[in-house]
Amino acid sequence: DAEITQSPRHKITETGRQVTLACHQTWNHNNMFWYRQDLGHGLRLIHYSYGVHDTNKGEVSDGYSVSRSNTEDLPLTLESAASSQTSVYFCASSRGSSEQYFGPGTRLTVT
Amino acid sequence: GESVGLHLPTLSVQEGDNSIINCAYSNSASDYFIWYKQESGKGPQFIIDIRSNMDKRQGQRVTVLLNKTVKHLSLQIAATQPGDSAVYFCAEIAQGAQKLVFGQGTRLTINP
Repeated sequence: DAEITQSPRHKITETGRQVTLACHQTWNHNNMFWYRQDLGHGLRLIHYSYGVHDTNKGEVSDGYSVSRSNTEDLPLTLESAASSQTSVYFCASSRGSSEQYFGPGTRLTVT
Repeated sequence: GESVGLHLPTLSVQEGDNSIINCAYSNSASDYFIWYKQESGKGPQFIIDIRSNMDKRQGQRVTVLLNKTVKHLSLQIAATQPGDSAVYFCAEIAQGAQKLVFGQGTRLTINP
């Protein structure tokens, strides 16, 4: 069955470290998205991609970057982790203007 | 600007009763709406969607109503069960866009 996976599921890192969160989907979807979810803010879009080599900034992109070298993966990198980036991160994918399928999430703690 | 919001942040209902979760949206150009359910520790799961050319759509125990005149969306859950306890998000996609705009979420709790 097609799915979308994220790794790691939990991560603790120190301020200033570079961190990469993985997202892998086997739906063969062109569109992939990264969100963060904090209490009281719902889901906020960080970066998204509409296809290989395409990346776009979302509403909270500062301090994050993504790259899309193939259809299946959209890794999210925190260049220099900050405590404000402690959050739960969700990856999602979709085909065109349709519903998005979400991964299980990665809980990141920056100490 | 574009925004999708919810009338109530929390909703508590008796098991077996019907639940109604409301959502207001401000972008009149939105033509596709989705309801997601998020259980604790999990990612959002698709429940039901509706296009702007419809005003009602039914699924298994769920119904979505769309009132474009007042830009209002609602999710009705029939015979609410303990497994329905979750946070429910509405989301919209503007015509021609491929990004979702999410509301803040409503937490539904079920009283035995």
